Formats: sequence, structure tokens, C-alpha cells
Amino acid sequence: EIQMTQSPSSLSASVGDRVTITCRASQSISRYLNWYQQKPGKAPKVLIYTASTLQSGVPSRFSGSGSGTDFTLTITSLQPEDFATYYCQQSYNTPLTFGGGTKVEIK
Amino acid sequence: EVQLVQSGAAVKKPGATMKISCRVSGYTFTDFYMHWVYQAPGKRPEWMGQIDPEDGATVYAEKFQGRVSMMADTSTDTAYMELSSLTSEDTAVYYCATVGSTVRTPHNWFDHWGQGTLLTVSS
Repeated sequence: EIQMTQSPSSLSASVGDRVTITCRASQSISRYLNWYQQKPGKAPKVLIYTASTLQSGVPSRFSGSGSGTDFTLTITSLQPEDFATYYCQQSYNTPLTFGGGTKVEIK
Repeated sequence: EVQLVQSGAAVKKPGATMKISCRVSGYTFTDFYMHWVYQAPGKRPEWMGQIDPEDGATVYAEKFQGRVSMMADTSTDTAYMELSSLTSEDTAVYYCATVGSTVRTPHNWFDHWGQGTLLTVSS
């Protein structure tokens, strides 16, 4: 099973800040890495798939990069609606696995 | 518009079996794998398994092998997930989720999700 490790587990930021979240896989997963945003009581929503492809309808302030074992999600200018928990997920092989999450809170 | 509508919340006793339904609309049911994901309170989502509605082929997470069964009824465009021998550790929200591409590989992403079904296991 591929282990996914995210950092930080939480962060405090202000509206307008640039935020970077990292995700590391326990083995190479090529570019088969997806990012989700989850708000309380809601299902996760895909933001980025295959490491860097922006899902239709997702604002361009979200971007993803990386390959192999190390990946990054960047939010260039944090907006009020971006305060949520973010998860990475590998789709290299089954069992599909998620990172532990990064909770982005208001400073 | 793609929609996945799940059955309602349930309370079960330890040792019982639960079955959740996920009715889809807005796309061809047999074109995309259906996955089941569970999320315990305050925890990361965890993948339970997948079913190919076209032929019923399933892949289950080892953690649930022997306790989980996934089915797809193409006459009603409904997927089902049954989990047996429930314990308090199964208390969670369960989601069905379909994927963004028709590829028959794990190389995909969860594109559309059901609203979630809360299962509480308590004596």
C-alpha cells in the first residue's frame, strides 16, 4: 500500500496569502496524484488531477505540480471560500490512498 | 447534470449488516467505475473498493475483504454497498463516487460524489 504524507497538517493564513501544501508518496507514483478540497459536512471536491490538470470550473488560483514522490498544491491568493481541508490522493494503484489532510484556517 | 443520490443515515447494532444505495443520473452508468469511500469522524477518506457497472467486476481494499460486497443494478442505474459484521469502528460517513475518465485503470480521479450516508454503529 502506498502511504501518502501531507504537510503541514494545519496552517493559519490570511486572505490574499500564498499557500503551499506538500504531499509525499512512499514510492514513485509518476504523476497520478489528485488534490481535493473538503468543507465540513460536504463530500470532497476535486481541484487538480494527474498532478497539475485543473478541474473544469476550479479557479486558476489553484495549481499543482510535482512527479515521482513529491507534489505541491499552491493557492496563489487565498480567498474566504478557500478555508477548508485539503487532501491529496494517489491513483497509481489500488488500494487508492489519501493523505492525512491539511486544514487551512483563518489567521 | 450528473447526480449521485445516496440512501439515508442509518443506526445499526454491532454485528449487523448495512446496505447503502447510490442512484445515479445524468450520465451512462456503465461508462465509469463506481467507487466507495468512507470517512470516520475527523479522519482522512479511505477507499473501500470499486465496481465496474458494465460487468460487475469488483476490487476491494484488503481491509474490507470478506466483509464488503459491491453491486450494480443497471436496470435502475443504482450501485449498492453492503458491509457486514459491523463494529463501532465502522461508524463513519460513506460516499459513492464516480470517476472522471472512462479508462479501466486506477489512473483516475473522483469526479462526482454522493452526498454521503452517515452510519452509526452502537449498541
